[in-house]
Order: sequence, then C-alpha cells, then structure tokens
Amino acid sequence: AQSVAQPEDQVNVAEGNPLTVKCTYSVSGNPYLFWYVQYPNRGLQFLLKYITGDNLVKGSYGFEAEFNKSQTSFHLKKPSALVSDSALYFCAVTGGSYIPTFGRGTSLIVHP
Amino acid sequence: GAVVSQHPSRVICKSGTSVKIECRSLDFQATTMFWYRQFPKQSLMLMATSNEGSKATYEQGVEKDKFLINHASLTLSTLTVTSAHPEDSSFYICSAKSRGGDTGELFFGEGSRLTVL
Repeated sequence: AQSVAQPEDQVNVAEGNPLTVKCTYSVSGNPYLFWYVQYPNRGLQFLLKYITGDNLVKGSYGFEAEFNKSQTSFHLKKPSALVSDSALYFCAVTGGSYIPTFGRGTSLIVHP
Repeated sequence: GAVVSQHPSRVICKSGTSVKIECRSLDFQATTMFWYRQFPKQSLMLMATSNEGSKATYEQGVEKDKFLINHASLTLSTLTVTSAHPEDSSFYICSAKSRGGDTGELFFGEGSRLTVL
C-alpha cells in the first residue's frame, strides 16, 4: 500500500522568507511524486512532479521540491514567500497502480 | 495545460432529490476519471475510479447506489447523488488522467459544492 504523510497541518511564514512544506511517502517500487495547490472553494492545481531524473524539481510560481530517496521525502520549497502563496498544499504519490494517494494537506499562511 | 471542466460549481437541493455533477475533459481524452469528496479542512477522499465504457470501481464504504457514476465517453464522466440528504453536503472534485498518461499526473476540475437542505 502507498501512503503520504504531511506532518504539519499548518505552516506560518513571513512574506519574503523561505518556506518549506514537508512530505514523506511510502510506496512499492519507484515513486511518482506530485504537489498540488488548492485555493478556497477551488479544485486542485498542479505545481510540480518528480518522475525521474534530477532530484530537484522546479515548478509553477517559483516553487521547487527535492526528491530524497534515502529519506523518502519530497519537501516543497520556495526561496521567498508571497502572501498570495497562502493556500492548501497537497502532496501525492503514485506507484504501480497509478492511482494517486494524497496527503492530508498543509495550510500555508504567509503573513505580510 | 489540460483542462477539466466541472459543472455545476455550486448546487443547492432539497433533501430527497437527486443531483448530477458533470466532469468533462476539454482538450484531451480521459480514459480514467476519479471522483473525490472533500470535507472542510480535510484531505481528498477518493470515492471511485471510473474507466470509459466500464463500471466504476468504488472505494470501500462508498455506496454504489447512492453515488452513481457513469463514464460514457472519453471526455465525460458524471456523478449522480441520489436521494440526497444533508449529510451528503460536501465539496466534490473530479479529476482525469489522460490517455497515455502513465505517470499518474491528474488534472482537476474546479469542484462542485453541494448543499442539501
């Protein structure tokens, strides 16, 4: 069975500071990892994915994530947070079934 | 990027009535669509997986007769909430995987907020 853990319900950061949203996963075989963002009363928007290749993946809106196989992690990062980044962030993983499993979500709050 | 349209975005209905939600892939063929339910401040709960031309696969605990899913074409899947009750009030989100999309990336609709009075 595959699973995703997002250990933080909420992350608070000041605008202009770097941000990290944590994600660890468990899956059989090679993982396909994703980050999505959800704004209030909206669907999910794709941010970035890791399939293979470079461990550092760059995505939309200046976000990036680093795949760490030994730590089974795929933390989302951004060098300088914006107030408009405030949203709900979901990490997801698929394995051989190609049916993604989502984490519980982390609410990111960026303070002016 | 690929676009998934979900309609209606909001619906209010009386208890006992049925509500249909449509999910369309606008610029790609979706062999597989997923239906999720999301409670306030919670993650997505997968309800069912639908494949074009075959019966949907429901997750454990999801009533098949309550939540009817039809995937009649490569661009359309529908979720019908039958005999709706207030506890069915929720945010329903569909997503689609494109034909040949074997990496699991999903394209999401904007969601449908159902309120049952």
